[in-house]
Amino acid sequence: AQSVTQLGSHVSVSEGALVLLRCNYSSSVPPYLFWYVQYPNQGLQLLLKYTSAATLVKGINGFEAEFKKSETSFHLTKPSAHMSDAAEYFCAVYVSGGYNKLIFGAGTRLAVHP
Amino acid sequence: GAVVSQHPSWVICKSGTSVKIECRSLDFQATTMFWYRQFPKQSLMLMATSNEGSKATYEQGVEKDKFLINHASLTLSTLTVTSAHPEDSSFYICSASAGGGPREQFFGPGTRLTVL
Repeated sequence: AQSVTQLGSHVSVSEGALVLLRCNYSSSVPPYLFWYVQYPNQGLQLLLKYTSAATLVKGINGFEAEFKKSETSFHLTKPSAHMSDAAEYFCAVYVSGGYNKLIFGAGTRLAVHP
Repeated sequence: GAVVSQHPSWVICKSGTSVKIECRSLDFQATTMFWYRQFPKQSLMLMATSNEGSKATYEQGVEKDKFLINHASLTLSTLTVTSAHPEDSSFYICSASAGGGPREQFFGPGTRLTVL
């Protein structure tokens, strides 16, 4: 069965510092992976997605993620954090077979301090 | 483009009543819609998947008679919480997809349900 694990339920960084949010996946087939962001009391917004093309994926708001098969990882990074990046981030894997179902990780809450 | 709306954005109801939540894809035809439930500070849990014109597929542990889903058109799906109880209080989020395969799901803004 496909799944994702997000390491660290809370991450705190200073404004301008590197953001690193970790996601590891488990999949018996080549995975399709997504990162979503959720601001308080809102739905989810897609940051980026990996669909077996380039392993380094660039998304919105300066975020990027690198698919590493050898490490079964899809970590999200941003070189310089901004206060507006404070939110909940979810990694998700597409589950094949039937409908295009997404399975979400537990989420990582990012806090950005001045 | 790819906007999904939900109505209402929040609702408060008395225990025992039923509540309907609408999910609309505003600028695309959604062949598949999904309903999620999110408890405070937790991840999204998929409740059910629905295709237009067919019965919804419920995830294990989700009561289909409790959470009625109707996908009447390519732009509208509804979730009705029947005989609501305080434990049904949650944030309900819908998403919509234009087709099969690993396509992006577009998420609605969510509906906060509080059952008194």
